Amino acid sequence: DVVMTQSPLALPVTLGQPASISCRSSQSLVHSDGNTYLNWFQQRPGQSPRRLIYKVSNRDSGVPDRFSGSGSGTDFTLKISRVEAEDVGVYYCMQGTHWPPWTFGQGTKVEIK
Amino acid sequence: EVQLVESGGGLVQPGGSLRLSCAASGFTFSSYWMHWVRQAPGKGLVWVSRIDSDGSSTSYADSVKGRFTISRDNAKNTVYLQMNSLRTEDTAVYYCVRGFEYWGRGTLVTVSS
Repeated sequence: DVVMTQSPLALPVTLGQPASISCRSSQSLVHSDGNTYLNWFQQRPGQSPRRLIYKVSNRDSGVPDRFSGSGSGTDFTLKISRVEAEDVGVYYCMQGTHWPPWTFGQGTKVEIK
Repeated sequence: EVQLVESGGGLVQPGGSLRLSCAASGFTFSSYWMHWVRQAPGKGLVWVSRIDSDGSSTSYADSVKGRFTISRDNAKNTVYLQMNSLRTEDTAVYYCVRGFEYWGRGTLVTVSS
């Protein structure tokens, strides 16, 4: 199984400042079809997860452009250009290249300082 | 609007059974794979099972293989998760998911004596 490792696990941030979360996979996430199936999710307190980013860098509909995804192979990053209060929650990466199983990172808790 | 509504959760004793249902609407249900993802209290996201669009192919996490069965009724726009031989470690909120883009609100399963 592919292991997804996120860092940091907790991220205190100042409003208006940037934030960055790293996600590393135990093997390359490049699929034989040429795509890289790496997603990012946000889970606000008390809510269901919401997908923010798919295939490394594609924002889902309605996702603010302050969220961006990048990376390749085994190293990926989610960046928030300017953190807002509504961004508080837990962020997960997930791979969908080598399935089953689909595997998630441990989660990174973003909180306001 | 895509909607996924889970039901069937509750309190069950170890060794018992439950059947979860997920009623889908707002899209052509028979065209999509469906997944179940669970989240133990205070923990991260874990993929449980998936079923392809016509129900001919299924996959399971090792932790539930042989105990859980996923199925679907495309005439009723519903996907099911039959859970047998339940263990305390199966306690979690179970989410119904389409393509990892759309998530239901979840249904809580508590396994306890």
